[in-house]
Amino acid sequence: EDQVTQSPEALRLQEGESSSLNCSYTVSGLRGLFWYRQDPGKGPEFLFTLYSAGEEKEKERLKATLTKKESFLHITAPKPEDSATYLCAVQAGSNYQLIWGAGTKLIIKP
Amino acid sequence: IAGITQAPTSQILAAGRRMTLRCTQDMRHNAMYWYRQDLGLGLRLIHYSNTAGTTGKGEVPDGYSVSRANTDDFPLTLASAVPSQTSVYFCASSVRDGTEAFFGQGTRLTVV
Repeated sequence: EDQVTQSPEALRLQEGESSSLNCSYTVSGLRGLFWYRQDPGKGPEFLFTLYSAGEEKEKERLKATLTKKESFLHITAPKPEDSATYLCAVQAGSNYQLIWGAGTKLIIKP
Repeated sequence: IAGITQAPTSQILAAGRRMTLRCTQDMRHNAMYWYRQDLGLGLRLIHYSNTAGTTGKGEVPDGYSVSRANTDDFPLTLASAVPSQTSVYFCASSVRDGTEAFFGQGTRLTVV
């Protein structure tokens, strides 16, 4: 069964303390891996799409990487405004529908 | 720039009542989706539409129906609400199926 698991469930960091969020997946035939950010009371907001192992993408303090089994979202010198829930989703096989992880809630303390 | 508009933003509904959640997009996207989001679970797809006039079932379609009469609108109907349908519902759209999706603000529905 296709599955996406995100860890940790929650992560508390001090402002400026870099860390990484993990998204591991077991699917047949990865077509793409998506990262979204979700603020409380709002819909998810698209961040990145990764298509093949070794690919990396960056946006401000965020960098997403992809291997054959997992993706990491690296956060460098985070600020309080980076606090949000980060969602990972995978598209696999002949099905265009996304399989979503449960998310990692990131809290950055000033 | 509106993007995706959902209505209502929240609703308390008596069990057994019929309810339609509205979703309108102004981006002329071909694909539209309805998800539900429950605490501790990932987003789960209820129904989707790849283009106007066509719809398909997602992971959790039971108790829900959709229609796609035109490109912009994609309403979700609960024929007879049950407490297990208490959730936050998100409508989303994308240029085509499989590309980045844009989400609405959500509808928080409580069935009592």
